[in-house]
Amino acid sequence: GAGVSQSPRYKVAKRGQDVALRCDPISGHVSLFWYQQALGQGPEFLTYFQNEAQLDKSGLPSDRFFAERPEGSVSTLKIQRTQQEDSAVYLCASSASTGGAQQETQYFGPGTRLLVL
Amino acid sequence: AQSVTQLGSHVSVSEGALVLLRCNYSSSVPPYLFWYVQYPNQGLQLLLKYTTGATLVKGINGFEAEFKKSETSFHLTKPSAHMSDAAEYFCAVSDPPSGTYKYIFGTGTRLKVLA
Repeated sequence: GAGVSQSPRYKVAKRGQDVALRCDPISGHVSLFWYQQALGQGPEFLTYFQNEAQLDKSGLPSDRFFAERPEGSVSTLKIQRTQQEDSAVYLCASSASTGGAQQETQYFGPGTRLLVL
Repeated sequence: AQSVTQLGSHVSVSEGALVLLRCNYSSSVPPYLFWYVQYPNQGLQLLLKYTTGATLVKGINGFEAEFKKSETSFHLTKPSAHMSDAAEYFCAVSDPPSGTYKYIFGTGTRLKVLA
């Protein structure tokens, strides 16, 4: 596709349920990022993949959060035993580079809005 | 840790007036700097970025920003606001020291354009 896509766009979960959020990056993009955007806030970094390797997961708020990118393309962010504080928009971004002076732009998807009741 | 400060969570301007959205960063080493725009229920769209070179950067939709190292600032401007500019704007810095090049975002400024 032309851009980053995410599914579902909206997800309502009951507290305690597990959810899985999917990200399809731009084809060929090496780097993939997940961010969490709480209401009225800027996005906050969760985790980073370079191909299939998860190189940075320092932003994951708890061990209930898990992300994978097994074949180096599609990524899934899983949240186990959801809590109300997990309600947020989850943004995925991809980039053609691995960083450095080129600093290729991160392209963002539309996000998944998660509401935990 | 790096941080980004956007002064003014809400800014209102009249159509045709100057737009000025402020961004300051905390790093002692100049990071890479970005401005993104977010329309309701949409993802973030890049307006412009500064990595190296010329400190005045021009972006899409008539926006520009100037990197001022001495002021640790990267303010966003547009000479004449248009109704379609109403959106939320985020300033971001990359985090080179971590090697991850993740972005650190400010809390955003919601721009309202008055007819």
